[in-house]
Amino acid sequence: DVKVTQSSRYLVKRTGEKVFLECVQDMDHENMFWYRQDPGLGLRLIYFSYDVKMKEKGDIPEGYSVSREKKERFSLILESASTNQTSMYLCASSFIYPLAGRVSYEQYFGPGTRLTVT
Amino acid sequence: GENVEQHPSTLSVQEGDSAVIKCTYSDSASNYFPWYKQELGKGPQLIIDIRSNVGEKKDQRIAVTLNKTAKHFSLHITETQPEDSAVYFCAAIPSYIPTFGRGTSLIVHP
Repeated sequence: DVKVTQSSRYLVKRTGEKVFLECVQDMDHENMFWYRQDPGLGLRLIYFSYDVKMKEKGDIPEGYSVSREKKERFSLILESASTNQTSMYLCASSFIYPLAGRVSYEQYFGPGTRLTVT
Repeated sequence: GENVEQHPSTLSVQEGDSAVIKCTYSDSASNYFPWYKQELGKGPQLIIDIRSNVGEKKDQRIAVTLNKTAKHFSLHITETQPEDSAVYFCAAIPSYIPTFGRGTSLIVHP
């Protein structure tokens, strides 16, 4: 079974604090993602990484940074937390593989971290 | 880039009824279409997927259909049960970055 784990299920931080959200996957996946989920807005991509030390901005990168020093670990960093960053944060990993002459794809999510910034 | 529209945003059914959730996409290069179920307080879980070379796929009470010409795909749940209550997301993937629909909240009344 693919396992994507996140370091915390619930987190409460104060405005201005530096916040680290950790994600680890155990299936040697190349790609890892950080999403933010808010009611009515669905899943919005913050950053993704397709290899160690590689990162790409998603749709809403402002106020966030990421780190991928090892293949299995992808960290999301809030440099100075603000109340508008209160949200559910989801990590995911994915892999691409050949199937019947085509490229196929699967993505798996972690359980999420509910972050509250006060 | 890809754009995915999902309808309805909320769906309320009686136990035993069928439920249908529809998604449309814009990028003809999309070739993989997963569906996720997210229960309260949990991350989304893959429940079924379909690839572009297939028109329909079934797994017990769940089925997904794909119409590549019209660029739409649908999730069908038959004989709904209260434990089917959750938020369902569709996605379309043209390369390796999925684009998600905004989700459908399915409520199954006992």
